[in-house]
Amino acid sequence: EVLLLESGGGLVQPGGSLRLSCAASGFTFSDYAMSWVRQAPGKGLEWVSGISASGGDTCYGGSVKGRFTVSRDSSNNVLYLQMNSLRAEDTAVYYCAKENFYDFWNWGQGTLVTVSS
Amino acid sequence: QSALTQPRSVSGSPGQSVTISCTGTSSDVGGYNYVSWYQQHPGKAPKVVIHDVTKRPSGVPDRFSGSKSGNTASLTISGLQADDEADYYCCSYAGSAWVFGGGTKLTVL
Repeated sequence: EVLLLESGGGLVQPGGSLRLSCAASGFTFSDYAMSWVRQAPGKGLEWVSGISASGGDTCYGGSVKGRFTVSRDSSNNVLYLQMNSLRAEDTAVYYCAKENFYDFWNWGQGTLVTVSS
Repeated sequence: QSALTQPRSVSGSPGQSVTISCTGTSSDVGGYNYVSWYQQHPGKAPKVVIHDVTKRPSGVPDRFSGSKSGNTASLTISGLQADDEADYYCCSYAGSAWVFGGGTKLTVL
């Protein structure tokens, strides 16, 4: 069974940093591209960032480009999202998702990030 | 990348059919056959119900179907059941990025 378990969320002040983690199990992590998708309270889904299976290619949504960095540790089956220069509008539940070519096949339960003073 | 356009809400009675539209551009929906649909119940993670425009993952009832014409994709749910009440999101690949729709709340009357 595919399991994705996010952690690292919490309360952070505007301008601060946070690193999210996603522990993956139940599949060969190094074979799959992964993404982060977020959902602001009461709002819709927004794709944030993706990383190829090898980790050699990364991509970002326009609202986070230059502030967020995605990475992966395939030795330990962990996906990361380093978030810098956080803003109030980054407040959201952040999901990690296992890609299946061009869609998101499995999702974690999410971790809440709140940016507030 | 602008969000895909979905109706905010749709409704139907048990046993009826509803269709949710998802309009994008030639850079996303119209440019790729990689539209997926996600069902999200309150407080839960999204679940894929349609991928690659028309394909259903195993375990998803055949009451769920997808289609696309030009820059608009559609999700049809037939034989509505109470458990179908949820938020539905379309998503399209857009060349090294993905774009979601704003979401549609389905109410089963």
